[in-house]
Amino acid sequence: QLQLQESGPGLVKPSETLSLTCTVSGGSISSSSYYWGWIRQPPGKGLEWIGSIYYSGSAYYTPSLKSRVTISVDTSKNQFSLKLSSVTAADTAVYYCARDDRVHNWNVFEYWGQGTLVTVSS
Amino acid sequence: QSALTQPPSASGSPGQSVTISCTGTSSDVGGYNYVSWYQQHPGKAPKLIIYEVSKRPSGVPDRFSGSKSGNTASLTVSGLQAEDEADYYCSSYAGSNNYVFGTGTKVTVL
Repeated sequence: QLQLQESGPGLVKPSETLSLTCTVSGGSISSSSYYWGWIRQPPGKGLEWIGSIYYSGSAYYTPSLKSRVTISVDTSKNQFSLKLSSVTAADTAVYYCARDDRVHNWNVFEYWGQGTLVTVSS
Repeated sequence: QSALTQPPSASGSPGQSVTISCTGTSSDVGGYNYVSWYQQHPGKAPKLIIYEVSKRPSGVPDRFSGSKSGNTASLTVSGLQAEDEADYYCSSYAGSNNYVFGTGTKVTVL
């Protein structure tokens, strides 16, 4: 059974860079059938797709965050990572990693991590 | 791209049906048959319940059904059960390799 697990600091200072890693188990991140994505949810608010990456490194980002986001992949560790720069309080959210099935099925996130809360505060 | 519009809340008694709308534009909901719906219980990750407007992943009860007309997609939950009380989010492909989610609807089972 595929499992995803987010990890990283739960507290980040304003103007600094938020860094999270998602470790995939029970399947290979190098599969040609899937992308791997990040989605966030501010407390009490809705979901926002941040971006998705292929094992080759090809990535897509939501336009509103594109200038601040970098998603990378490490196939040797079966992990992919998120970096969000110049954070503000508005970036406080639960961050989820998920499998993006866009190679065969657009807009399908069937497997999700449990989510990790990142708070931006001094 | 703006979030898709959903009603903040919906409710129904056990056994009844509830329908949630999801309104977008011709650039997202209306332009593609790639609308998905997610169910989220408090403190949990979202769960995919509908994809490609009306398809159900394996294991999702057929009480959940989806449809689309123009720029508005809908999720219907028939035969409401207590465990259906949750937040529901729609999502659509928005072109140029982008996705957009809805504002979310809290479903209450009375």
